[in-house]
Amino acid sequence: AQSVDQPDAHVTLSEGASLELRCSYSYSAAPYLFWYVQYPGQSLQFLLKYITGDTVVKGTKGFEAEFRKSNSSFNLKKSPAHWSDSAKYFCALEGPGNYKYVFGAGTRLKVIA
Amino acid sequence: GGIITQTPKFLIGQEGQKLTLKCQQNFNHDTMYWYRQDSGKGLRLIYYSITENDLQKGDLSEGYDASREKKSSFSLTVTSAQKNEMAVFLCASSPGTGLHTQYFGPGTRLLVL
Repeated sequence: AQSVDQPDAHVTLSEGASLELRCSYSYSAAPYLFWYVQYPGQSLQFLLKYITGDTVVKGTKGFEAEFRKSNSSFNLKKSPAHWSDSAKYFCALEGPGNYKYVFGAGTRLKVIA
Repeated sequence: GGIITQTPKFLIGQEGQKLTLKCQQNFNHDTMYWYRQDSGKGLRLIYYSITENDLQKGDLSEGYDASREKKSSFSLTVTSAQKNEMAVFLCASSPGTGLHTQYFGPGTRLLVL
């Protein structure tokens, strides 16, 4: 079975601070991992993905994430945060070859200007 | 570039009614997906289709039917709407699996009275 956990339903921080959104997963083999962002009133947009290779991946809008096999995590980072980063962020996992994503419940980020 | 169009944008139905949601994509992607997003929760996969005329059940397929008669379109039917049901249905498409990201439509908001 595969699952994704985003333990923080809400995160609030000040503009200029560093942000780190947590994501852990459970999967029996090497997964493909994704981060998506959903701005208020909009649909999901792709941020970045880890498939294989370099464990630090960079995406759009200045975000990056680090894949850590040792603790099954794929945390999203950005520094500094900007008020426009306020959105809901979803971590997702796909087992290679099975076409299906499993999404975490999401973390709602609020950046205070 | 391409775009995913979902119709209608808002759908209000009555308990027990059969309701159909439509999705069109012009990416020429092979794979299409239907997800349900409930408030405060992640996305749950209802149906997906690897290619034209293919249908695969997701984790939440009970109470839904789907149809993929053309590569560019994917329809979802709520077979019997449940009273007080409220959710957003998101359509997505992808060139294939794993290495490819999913592109999401704007969503259809369902309210059942």
